[in-house]
Amino acid sequence: EAQVTQNPRYLITVTGKKLTVTCSQNMNHEYMSWYRQDPGLGLRQIYYSMNVEVTDKGDVPEGYKVSRKEKRNFPLILESPSPNQTSLYFCASSPPLAVRDEQFFGPGTRLTVL
Amino acid sequence: AQSVTQLDSQVPVFEEAPVELRCNYSSSVSVYLFWYVQYPNQGLQLLLKYLSGSTLVKGINGFEAEFNKSQTSFHLRKPSVHISDTAEYFCAVSGDVNTDKLIFGTGTRLQVFP
Repeated sequence: EAQVTQNPRYLITVTGKKLTVTCSQNMNHEYMSWYRQDPGLGLRQIYYSMNVEVTDKGDVPEGYKVSRKEKRNFPLILESPSPNQTSLYFCASSPPLAVRDEQFFGPGTRLTVL
Repeated sequence: AQSVTQLDSQVPVFEEAPVELRCNYSSSVSVYLFWYVQYPNQGLQLLLKYLSGSTLVKGINGFEAEFNKSQTSFHLRKPSVHISDTAEYFCAVSGDVNTDKLIFGTGTRLQVFP
């Protein structure tokens, strides 16, 4: 089954404790992206990757890191999480012509930073 | 720069009634327009998209949307809603090939009552 998977689905952590949210897709997509969803703000892009070893900042990159060492994986790293990073996070992927193509979303990771 | 405005944060409606969810966009380049749906505790999935051609676009689950260039709108409609249509709906725009960005609106929560 074609899908985007994220782990963990739920995470409660404390300020400053490094964490990684994994994202993996099995559709051989070049383009991958991370979003955060907050009430009243919709989805905002954190980082995106056009292909392996190519990443770029989205609209809200502060406090986050990403890497794209393999085509299928695009982990999101929070080196020192803070309470304002409490949010619902989505990973998405699509074929290379992302402006025209559907993005496929993972199920989401709900992160709470205390 | 591109942007999307969803004027209604919540739309309550009774089952079998028609519904329209409004979306307006602004863009200095050609646009591609999308509607995504998010069911409770799930990721987003594509309802329909407009790339070019006919301005009336039909999607899944009986939804349709009309692209109106003069009014810069892409409103989503369904003639008769079901309880199962209760979800959050996001309008999104892309078209800037330099960024491959998908810009989301803030979402409209559709609540269908029996």
